[in-house]
Amino acid sequence: NAGVMQNPRHLVRRRGQEARLRCSPMKGHSHVYWYRQLPEEGLKFMVYLQKENIIDESGMPKERFSAEFPKEGPSILRIQQVVRGDSAAYFCASSPARTEAFFGQGTRLTVV
Amino acid sequence: QKEVEQNSGPLSVPEGAIASLNCTYSDRGSQSFFWYRQYSGKSPELIMSIYSNGDKEDGRFTAQLNKASQYVSLLIRDSQPSDSATYLCAVNPPDSSYKLIFGSGTRLLVRP
Repeated sequence: NAGVMQNPRHLVRRRGQEARLRCSPMKGHSHVYWYRQLPEEGLKFMVYLQKENIIDESGMPKERFSAEFPKEGPSILRIQQVVRGDSAAYFCASSPARTEAFFGQGTRLTVV
Repeated sequence: QKEVEQNSGPLSVPEGAIASLNCTYSDRGSQSFFWYRQYSGKSPELIMSIYSNGDKEDGRFTAQLNKASQYVSLLIRDSQPSDSATYLCAVNPPDSSYKLIFGSGTRLLVRP
């Protein structure tokens, strides 16, 4: 049983470009969460999704950030017009219900 | 006051010793508590969850919870150099069974 799969592992974007981060949950998991980890800081909750629904996006910045989890395919975290402050590790986690979450390897975004 | 507080460390212990990692949380109504281990540049890995007061043991790991003191700890017996990592304490806030509030982590170094 493959774990939570995230790609790409590393992503470099110039300021103003768009970043798309993908997450495929573990098999049988329908709950997906995105967290951001800034250097030397703990993980911060961004958004919680189930298939085709955003349940809680209280941790998402109001502008430039969006997330989706379509009926088919991976969950996508999209950051438009990236700025240097968006540089961080973005982790996706999944769970079969509202229980213990298992994390993917993360995508390390660097904005230059 | 941070919602989940941990000493950043590093906590340095000799191989074979007991490592004691501590965490306090601010929201008295929190019900679920987790310890994650994160190696540098890697994803958080769930190692323990605890939901009721007292001790919970799993191999070399023991989680301890004291809700009255709003305190949760992780003991690692017979510490090994491979245990050297950052240990993240995470708490479900009372209004959310899925959102994890993380501490900033304690770095553990086990000296051979």
